[in-house]
Amino acid sequence: AQSVAQPEDQVNVAEGNPLTVKCTYSVSGNPYLFWYVQYPNRGLQFLLKYITGDNLVKGSYGFEAEFNKSQTSFHLKKPSALVSDSALYFCAVRDAWNTGGFKTIFGAGTRLFVKA
Amino acid sequence: DAGITQSPRHKVTETGTPVTLRCHQTENHRYMYWYRQDPGHGLRLIHYSYGVKDTDKGEVSDGYSVSRSKTEDFLLTLESATSSQTSVYFCAISEVGERETQYFGPGTRLLVL
Repeated sequence: AQSVAQPEDQVNVAEGNPLTVKCTYSVSGNPYLFWYVQYPNRGLQFLLKYITGDNLVKGSYGFEAEFNKSQTSFHLKKPSALVSDSALYFCAVRDAWNTGGFKTIFGAGTRLFVKA
Repeated sequence: DAGITQSPRHKVTETGTPVTLRCHQTENHRYMYWYRQDPGHGLRLIHYSYGVKDTDKGEVSDGYSVSRSKTEDFLLTLESATSSQTSVYFCAISEVGERETQYFGPGTRLLVL
């Protein structure tokens, strides 16, 4: 079975400070990991993914995520937060052995507030 | 929103009435999905399609049916709407070559009174 957890419902950070949004996962095999962002009244937008290779993955809007196999984590990070980063962030996971996007599991989401 | 449109964008309906939501894509992607988004639950898969006329159930399929007669269109029908189906519904698409990275439509906000 596979699962994903976002332990924080909300993260607050001041503009200009680094931000981290946490994600942990559980899969039987190797994970495919994704981060999506949702702005108000919009659909989810793909930010970045880890399939294989370098543990540090760079994505859109200056975001990056670090895959840590021993801690089964895939935390989303940004060195300097912007007010415009305020949104709802979703982590998602799929076991590489399970073909098909229908096997992707989404976390409950973490709301990020960046204060000016 | 990656060449995906959903209609209607907002709908208010009464309990017991049938409702059909439409998803249309211009990307020619093979896979299409319907999710619902509810506070505290993230996204939950309702149904998905892996080709024309090929569909299967997801995690929360009870009370919903789908059809896909063309590559570009995926319809979600609430056979007899209930208040528990008040939600925001998202369509998504993906292609095998992208390791199933999903691209989402703008969503349909449905209120069942």
